[in-house]
Amino acid sequence: DAGVIQSPRHEVTEMGQEVTLRCKPISGHDYLFWYRQTMMRGLELLIYFNNNVPIDDSGMPEDRFSAKMPNASFSTLKIQPSEPRDSAVYFCASSLGQGPSPLHFGNGTRLTVT
Amino acid sequence: AQTVTQSQPEMSVQEAETVTLSCTYDTSESDYYLFWYKQPPSRQMILVIRQEAYKQQNATENRFSVNFQKAAKSFSLKISDSQLGDAAMYFCASGGTASKLTFGTGTRLQVTL
Repeated sequence: DAGVIQSPRHEVTEMGQEVTLRCKPISGHDYLFWYRQTMMRGLELLIYFNNNVPIDDSGMPEDRFSAKMPNASFSTLKIQPSEPRDSAVYFCASSLGQGPSPLHFGNGTRLTVT
Repeated sequence: AQTVTQSQPEMSVQEAETVTLSCTYDTSESDYYLFWYKQPPSRQMILVIRQEAYKQQNATENRFSVNFQKAAKSFSLKISDSQLGDAAMYFCASGGTASKLTFGTGTRLQVTL
């Protein structure tokens, strides 16, 4: 199993630009999560999906953030327009079933907005 | 709502010694689960150990074990025979049946020779 795959690993962009982060969950997993990690706030849950349907997006900081999951094997997190305070590591994670089951994390995308 | 508190920002242990990382939590869920994750410098989040709250027996995974005190809402991680590869950030996390996890702020563990 290839694990959760995120791309890109690093992203540097200028303020105001659109940023799209991508995630491929583990095949067969029915839950997908987007987390953001910063020094100040730690790991924050942004949004999660069950069977491709968004369940809880209360952690999405602003309307500039949006997430989609068009199918079971792909999800995107988009920031438009980006701001320097969005700089963080963004993790995608997937899990199988309720419980909760352990989360399997991708390697994260380090986003730097200048 | 769930909160997870790790009161030790940094800990240090000598190789081959034992160290305990603290975690307390608060939850309104009657059925919940607790986890410890490790994040080495590579940034990958790795599951270390899991505990179901309905189980009284403390979970153990090789050199890693937990001390789960349900009444006190405490969930500490004990690492025995510490190795250089154990150096990392350790995160405690709590989750209910809704599947999402709430994480603590982490404890950075240094392992010295």
